[in-house]
Amino acid sequence: DQQVKQNSPSLSVQEGRISILNCDYTNSMFDYFLWYKKYPAEGPTFLISISSIKDKNEDGRFTVFLNKSAKHLSLHIVPSQPGDSAVYFCAAKAVTGANSKLTFGKGITLSVRP
Amino acid sequence: DSGVTQTPKHLITATGQRVTLRCSPRSGDLSVYWYQQSLDQGLQFLIQYYNGEERAKGNILERFSAQQFPDLHSELNLSSLELGDSALYFCASSVAGASGRAGTDTQYFGPGTRLTVL
Repeated sequence: DQQVKQNSPSLSVQEGRISILNCDYTNSMFDYFLWYKKYPAEGPTFLISISSIKDKNEDGRFTVFLNKSAKHLSLHIVPSQPGDSAVYFCAAKAVTGANSKLTFGKGITLSVRP
Repeated sequence: DSGVTQTPKHLITATGQRVTLRCSPRSGDLSVYWYQQSLDQGLQFLIQYYNGEERAKGNILERFSAQQFPDLHSELNLSSLELGDSALYFCASSVAGASGRAGTDTQYFGPGTRLTVL
């Protein structure tokens, strides 16, 4: 049972334009969400997070939006740069749960064309 | 560089064998997590240790075990290996790892160990 879903396996955008990466979750106990970026042959790198008490968190070119009622979050990258080309994983956890394990989606491969 | 180190980077072995993967967390981090990433799959949580004690278990097979030592490094032992165990194994660490407010602490990942079972 995939509790965190990234339904689009890939996304291609032009340099300078906006990249929008989507993520859906099914577990209503999730209340903390993270995005990780992964380059080939490297481990995932933390990008940005959001708590369920917020609906938006911004860090430079990266903004994460959370729609709790729809159980949906999205990562916006503006402007997109070729160096942003990577696999992006959405992850979620239940902060008040018994542990801090992260549940990951399968990832979206972002390609930013020069 | 996340500060989390994993060795070895690559491991090739045969079915039925046993291997040990090693992880050193970031300085000051008490929690260590192990994840498995198989082909076309997201990262699957295996197990978490906090300050030497097992804190949580995920989809970890009985053939797999882990431990965290007093110096906080961790080892993941995989035995009776099967072809399907071929995957990337990532270790992550965080400052805390308990539930509650501390549960929002970020997990930082190592570069992973690529295990190939032939």
